[in-house]
Amino acid sequence: EAGVAQSPRYKIIEKRQSVAFWCNPISGHATLYWYQQILGQGPKLLIQFQNNGVVDDSQLPKDRFSAERLKGVDSTLKIQPAKLEDSAVYLCASSLGLLARNEQFFGPGTRLTVL
Amino acid sequence: AQRVTQPEKLLSVFKGAPVELKCNYSYSGSPELFWYVQYSRQRLQLLLRHISRESIKGFTADLNKGETSFHLKKPFAQEEDSAMYYCALRGSSGSARQLTFGSGTQLTVLP
Repeated sequence: EAGVAQSPRYKIIEKRQSVAFWCNPISGHATLYWYQQILGQGPKLLIQFQNNGVVDDSQLPKDRFSAERLKGVDSTLKIQPAKLEDSAVYLCASSLGLLARNEQFFGPGTRLTVL
Repeated sequence: AQRVTQPEKLLSVFKGAPVELKCNYSYSGSPELFWYVQYSRQRLQLLLRHISRESIKGFTADLNKGETSFHLKKPFAQEEDSAMYYCALRGSSGSARQLTFGSGTQLTVLP
């Protein structure tokens, strides 16, 4: 089966600009996750969706980050305006559902550089 | 708050030698522990989880609640084991159910 797709793979922007990332989860996966991975650190969950509803966005910097999954399939994550400290790899993952036994499958990530 | 600590950023062993990647955690309830692996130019993927009690690619990990550890072990390392390894924890309720990752250990198996 096809894996989680993300685009773009790389993005370079200047601070205060806006950027958007796109994720297409594995077909049939109801749960979608966005993680931020700063260099030298492990992934940190930003937001989790169950279908088109938000389950957990406690670590999302809501003053500049937003995410949506309007039709319960694809998702976009936006940063507006970007700061230098937003430079990171943004990972999307999906799973069948919320149950603990459901494995999360990760996409290849989008590497963001903010200059 | 839950926390995962991987004390070694880098670990090098020779092929055929035993390897142990350390993971310690902090969580007041009953956690689920996982090991994830990322090979060069590949995606992050699940290696094993403690509830499965299985050996994957020769790796095992035992949850030690007394020492709050979940170390990953392999008796004879292979060059193809070279990768970045992340330990992760999931709590039992509410926002604790999100995966919390450690900072990772880069394992290099030398020929």
